[in-house]
Amino acid sequence: AQKVTQAQTEISVVEKEDVTLDCVYETRDTTYYLFWYKQPPSGELVFLIRRNSFDEQNEISGRYSWNFQKSTSSFNFTITASQVVDSAVYFCALSEAEGNKLTFGGGTRVLVKP
Amino acid sequence: GAGVSQTPSNKVTEKGKYVELRCDPISGHTALYWYRQSLGQGPEFLIYFQGTGAADDSGLPNDRFFAVRPEGSVSTLKIQRTERGDSAVYLCASSPGTFYEQYFGPGTRLTVT
Repeated sequence: AQKVTQAQTEISVVEKEDVTLDCVYETRDTTYYLFWYKQPPSGELVFLIRRNSFDEQNEISGRYSWNFQKSTSSFNFTITASQVVDSAVYFCALSEAEGNKLTFGGGTRVLVKP
Repeated sequence: GAGVSQTPSNKVTEKGKYVELRCDPISGHTALYWYRQSLGQGPEFLIYFQGTGAADDSGLPNDRFFAVRPEGSVSTLKIQRTERGDSAVYLCASSPGTFYEQYFGPGTRLTVT
């Protein structure tokens, strides 16, 4: 069965600091997809990134970057130069090839203080 | 364009009552999903539709829960004989097809008293 673990429940940083969110996953499939979503205080989940299991290239989008390492089953997310608007709960999720459901981790709450 | 919409945004019901939650997916999205999110936890999968048929209903907790998508667009999640443990935010998502990213609606907060 698939499983996603986000060991950090809450991270507090001061604005402009970098913050890295850890995500470790378990799956028996060789083909799978990994996702990150942001859930701001308003509550609506916002899609950030999708990565398939065959693409281990790291990705950067503005202040966001993702580090995918199959060898350690990790898909970590870094926010560079954090801003107050980055305060939210961030979820890592996994989808296996045989099904399309997302299995979410427990989420990491990020609090960016001015 | 319009995102996923869900109605009502809030629903308070008494234990034992029947409720229906509605989801309007993004136009043209063939896949539709229902999840349930309890306070402080990640969303949990309930059911997935591809077109009109339920492709995977393995997440429905018991037979009090049922969902339909009769015309391949709008979906309704139905809960019979509600229990206090059913209280949660029910999220709907849609995607253009299998293995694409899912776009979520704002959710329906269900409170069973």
